[in-house]
Amino acid sequence: EDKVVQSPLSLVVHEGDTVTLNCSYEVTNFRSLLWYKQEKKAPTFLFMLTSSGIEKKSGRLSSILDKKELFSILNITATQTGDSAIYLCALYGSSNTGKLIFGQGTTLQVKP
Amino acid sequence: DTAVSQTPKYLVTQMGNDKSIKCEQNLGHDTMYWYKQDSKKFLKIMFSYNNKELIINETVPNRFSPKSPDKAHLNLHINSLELGDSAVYFCASSQVTTGKRGTGELFFGEGSRLTVL
Repeated sequence: EDKVVQSPLSLVVHEGDTVTLNCSYEVTNFRSLLWYKQEKKAPTFLFMLTSSGIEKKSGRLSSILDKKELFSILNITATQTGDSAIYLCALYGSSNTGKLIFGQGTTLQVKP
Repeated sequence: DTAVSQTPKYLVTQMGNDKSIKCEQNLGHDTMYWYKQDSKKFLKIMFSYNNKELIINETVPNRFSPKSPDKAHLNLHINSLELGDSAVYFCASSQVTTGKRGTGELFFGEGSRLTVL
């Protein structure tokens, strides 16, 4: 059965710190791995990764995938209080129905 | 314009009641979903419809019944509500193209917070 595990489950840092969020997975048939950010309401899309070793970047956020070791990381540099959120990793795997399997999420709190 | 909209945003009700949540998407996507997010923020899929056809039906009590009148709408009806049904229910949509690799990207509604007393 496809599975996603995120770590840490929660993290508290101060503004300006750099954080690395981890996502490991087990899958029968990999299609893509996605990262979402959830603040108060709906999860919003950050990145989609399909190929190993190619970094995706958006401002202070970046993400990379390792399909051999079955994990992905999400980096946030120079954190700001607005980065406080739950970060969700999701796997689009064996099913061709569009079903995403989510990890438990990492709750990030950035203190001033 | 809101891409995926669901109503109501908040629902407080007594155990044993029946309630419905409605969802509409204007993205032209062919597939819609209901996800449940529990108090630990874990998002789990419940149902999915592709062009009005049920394609995913996870292990969900049969008190939950989805209905898709057309590919832009997916509603969720819950009978005989229980305390454990309290959660945030998210509607989502995506484009899952037959014969091609879809990206998997989901577009979420803002959620409907259901509280059962």
